[in-house]
Amino acid sequence: EAGVAQSPRYKIIEKRQSVAFWCNPISGHATLYWYQQILGQGPKLLIQFQNNGVVDDSQLPKDRFSAERLKGVDSTLKIQPAKLEDSAVYLCASSLDRQGYYGYTFGSGTRLTVV
Amino acid sequence: GEDVEQSLFLSVREGDSSVINCTYTDSSSTYLYWYKQEPGAGLQLLTYIFSNMDMKQDQRLTVLLNKKDKHLSLRIADTQTGDSAIYFCAESIIDFGNEKLTFGTGTRLTIIP
Repeated sequence: EAGVAQSPRYKIIEKRQSVAFWCNPISGHATLYWYQQILGQGPKLLIQFQNNGVVDDSQLPKDRFSAERLKGVDSTLKIQPAKLEDSAVYLCASSLDRQGYYGYTFGSGTRLTVV
Repeated sequence: GEDVEQSLFLSVREGDSSVINCTYTDSSSTYLYWYKQEPGAGLQLLTYIFSNMDMKQDQRLTVLLNKKDKHLSLRIADTQTGDSAIYFCAESIIDFGNEKLTFGTGTRLTIIP
């Protein structure tokens, strides 16, 4: 089966600019997650979708970050405006359901550098 | 609260066993996971253990869980160069029907030829 697809792989932007990341989960996976992984740290959950609804966005900095999952498949994560501390790898993951006993499948991530 | 801790670095000679340790704080964890991250890649699920188990073995991997001490370990037998990576443990808590994973900081495993 195809894995979780993410694009772009790399992005360099100046602070205060906007950026968007795209994720296509594994077909049939109802639950989709966006994680932020700062260099030297473990991934931290930003937002969790169940189909096209948000089930947890408590850690999402909503003043600058937004995410959507139209039609319950693909998802986009946007940062507007970006800050230097947003430099990180943004990982998308999906699982069959929201009790991911089978573990999550992660994409390769988008490495964002804010200069 | 949720907090998962790991040592940052581990160096092992090729052919020896690697033991990566992890401590967690939330006693209500249902599952505990080990993920592997190679350079430039996402996280790959290696194995998991249910919280009512003490041990799980899967080929070269052995997971030990001490629930009393909230200590989890991953042993890799006959460590190979391909095992070089960062290893993350993660604890899972079911919160209102949603699984939440909290990851440790990761242990970078280096293989010495």
